[in-house]
Order: sequence, then C-alpha cells, then structure tokens
Amino acid sequence: NAGVTQTPKFQVLKTGQSMTLQCAQDMNHNSMYWYRQDPGMGLRLIYYSASEGTTDKGEVPNGYNVSRLNKREFSLRLESAAPSQTSVYFCAGSGIIRGARDGNTIYFGEGSWLTVV
Amino acid sequence: RKEVEQDPGPFNVPEGATVAFNCTYSNSASQSFFWYRQDCRKEPKLLMSVYSSGNEDGRFTAQLNRASQYISLLIRDSKLSDSATYLCVVDGQNFVFGPGTRLSVLP
Repeated sequence: NAGVTQTPKFQVLKTGQSMTLQCAQDMNHNSMYWYRQDPGMGLRLIYYSASEGTTDKGEVPNGYNVSRLNKREFSLRLESAAPSQTSVYFCAGSGIIRGARDGNTIYFGEGSWLTVV
Repeated sequence: RKEVEQDPGPFNVPEGATVAFNCTYSNSASQSFFWYRQDCRKEPKLLMSVYSSGNEDGRFTAQLNRASQYISLLIRDSKLSDSATYLCVVDGQNFVFGPGTRLSVLP
C-alpha cells in the first residue's frame, strides 16, 4: 500500500520550460491537494480537488494548473516555469479511514524538489 | 493575523526534558485539529489528532481549548529521535498548516 505517490522526486528546469508533476493515491480518498513549501513560509495550498472532476484554487495558484484525471490521480502543471517556483511540492490526499479514530486526516507524498534556473 | 500561529522556536532541549509547543488558530468554525511531525527533507506525517477531551499517546499529550482557540503538544522524556519540526494543523474548509516549531533534542 503506497499511499500517495508523486513523481518526479527531483527536477531542474530552465526558466520558461513547462513540466507536469504527477500524483496518484491508492487510499480511495475523495480530496487531493497540491502544496508548496518554502523556507520560513510553511506549507501553502496551491490547488485542491474535493472530488473527481472538480478543482479549486488555494492560496497561491498563480503560475499553476491542475487536472484531476480520475479519483486516483491529480497532476500539477507549470506552463512556463519561473525561478520563484523553485520549491518543494507535496501532493496529498485526505479522507476518512474506516475504523480509524482519527477521522478525516491528510496524508502526503514524499515530495518533489523543483529547481528553476 | 495568520490563520494558524505557532511558537517560533527553535527549541533546543537536553535528552529527557519535557517540552511544550503552543498553537493558536483564528477560525472558530474549525472542526478538527492535528499535530504533524516533519523531518528534514521529508514529508509531514501525522503525529496525533487533538480531541476536545485531550488525548495522550505514550510520551505525547495533546490538549485543545476551543474557547481560547488554543492547541498544545507536550513531549515528556524527550529522545534524540524527537528532533524534528512540529506542525499544528487545523481543518476547517481546508487543512491549514502552521509554520512549524523546530525541536532539537541534544545529547
């Protein structure tokens, strides 16, 4: 049971290039998220998807697009990368785990380290 | 005012010490509360949920005060392996993460 899997783990881009970060979850979660984490800034929500077929902007959506391909997959696209998008990106899923007291909690992938030069 | 605020840290404590982290949140409609742990260059992982009645998991105790919109985490008998950043998380419309408090447990 892999939980949340995201690829690639590391990527270096040139300014203006495009790329897509892939994310898949096998926990049957309805909701999925993309966050970025920068030193001193904490985790900031880029986009989220409350269910298959829906997406909504988070706190810092500019420069990004997302696609909820199906219940399992939620991709993040940078159309024209900028140095300000150098960051660590985390995909996450949330849902209620049957039998768990914790209820609705959020689970993260291992992160994607992106550098834009 | 930020939605979730935490002690700025860092906290440097000797092994065996007791350390407490504080967190405040601004959205009174928040329903669920958590502490996450994040190791260097790793993803955040759920440490424990925080229940209204307070809850304990081994050396870790979490408390919630809804009236004051305040959450705490107490770590007793701290271990070297407890060194990490601790994130306070509040679930309202979406999960909102505090900036984290870094803990270093020293030998």
